[in-house]
Amino acid sequence: KNQVEQSPQSLIILEGKNCTLQCNYTVSPFSNLRWYKQDTGRGPVSLTIMTFSENTKSNGRYTATLDADTKQSSLHITASQLSDSASYICVVSLYAGNNRKLIWGLGTSLAVNP
Amino acid sequence: DADVTQTPRNRITKTGKRIMLECSQTKGHDRMYWYRQDPGLGLRLIYYSFDVKDINKGEISDGYSVSRQAQAKFSLSLESAIPNQTALYFCATSERDPSNTGELFFGEGSRLTVL
Repeated sequence: KNQVEQSPQSLIILEGKNCTLQCNYTVSPFSNLRWYKQDTGRGPVSLTIMTFSENTKSNGRYTATLDADTKQSSLHITASQLSDSASYICVVSLYAGNNRKLIWGLGTSLAVNP
Repeated sequence: DADVTQTPRNRITKTGKRIMLECSQTKGHDRMYWYRQDPGLGLRLIYYSFDVKDINKGEISDGYSVSRQAQAKFSLSLESAIPNQTALYFCATSERDPSNTGELFFGEGSRLTVL
């Protein structure tokens, strides 16, 4: 079954600390994996996309990794800020001919406290 | 101004009422989507459209209908609202196929409560 599981479900950290969010998937055949950030009461906004051949990609203080062999991705946030408080959603693309769909994770809710 | 605008942002209605959620975009994208988001269930695709004459069902289309009035406008209707349609609804657009690296651009969301 095609699934995307994220952990932890929620996380609280202090401002300035680093954290890592996990995304494990069983989607096959895999096309790409994208991380979205969703602020409370807002729509998701893309942070980064990882394709099959990419291992690491950075976007400012956000660094995503992908291990296609173990079907795992992580999102590392460096020097967290209060504005990083949000839900982070992992979505994996299944792409095989006419069978194409996005498999969404449930998200990790991050709270950054002062 | 937002690139993808949804109206209304909040709506409370009663069971059996007809509801329309509207979406307009200024990104110039042909592809438009309606999603609903529920706690513990994540985002689920309701309907999508690749151009004005194209309408496709998503994974949870029962109880919903859509209309693509123009390239920039895509509306979602609930013909007879029921309480389990209480959710946060998002409109989204994309330039390319999201399952093939295309990025989704979401609106601010429409929170619907059906009593």
